Amino acid sequence: QVQLQESGPGLVKPSETLSLTCTVSGDSMSGYYWSWIRQPPGKGLEWIGYIFYSGSATYSPSLKSRVTISVDASKNQLSLELNSVTAADTAFYYCARHSHGFKVFDYWGQGTLATVSS
Amino acid sequence: DIVMTQSPLSLPVTPGEPASISCRSSQSLLHSNGYNFLYWYLQKPGQSPQLLIYLGSDRASGVPDRFSGSGSGTDFTLKISRVEAEDVGVYYCMHALQAPYTFGQGTNLEIK
Repeated sequence: QVQLQESGPGLVKPSETLSLTCTVSGDSMSGYYWSWIRQPPGKGLEWIGYIFYSGSATYSPSLKSRVTISVDASKNQLSLELNSVTAADTAFYYCARHSHGFKVFDYWGQGTLATVSS
Repeated sequence: DIVMTQSPLSLPVTPGEPASISCRSSQSLLHSNGYNFLYWYLQKPGQSPQLLIYLGSDRASGVPDRFSGSGSGTDFTLKISRVEAEDVGVYYCMHALQAPYTFGQGTNLEIK
């Protein structure tokens, strides 16, 4: 059974960089696309970007200037870096897998809350 | 960006009754390969979203057959034939035709 687990600091100061990791277990990362999605508390879902296991990433234009997604397939880990954060970046951050057969986001992590506050 | 618009935003339903959610996109989600890149997710209270329907009408693994998706182009519908208590939560449609993927506002299904 594929499992995704996000981790990272729960609190980040304004203007600093938010760094999160998603660890994948139960399957290899090879051959799949992987995404980050976020959800401000009590609000809707926002796609951040995706990356192929070999390292080619595509980002949402609204975040492109501040975000980097990377993958370390040897460690089965996906990473997210979001710089120059503000309170508007406070959200639950999810990682998710795109599976074969166009099944987009059929596996999700449980999410991790990142709060931006001084 | 493609704008996804759901209705209604709130949906009170009596158990055993049917329910329907509409999702409209600002441009066609029909790819040249013949697939509609429209997805439905359910986020139960306190949980991560889960995939219900992919490519407009295909049920994801383990999804009960009371859930069905239909539509093509810009108009899509999620139907629940007989709502059960475990179906409560927020339903989102999302397109994956091109980046950026965008979600609808969400429809909050509650039990009367």
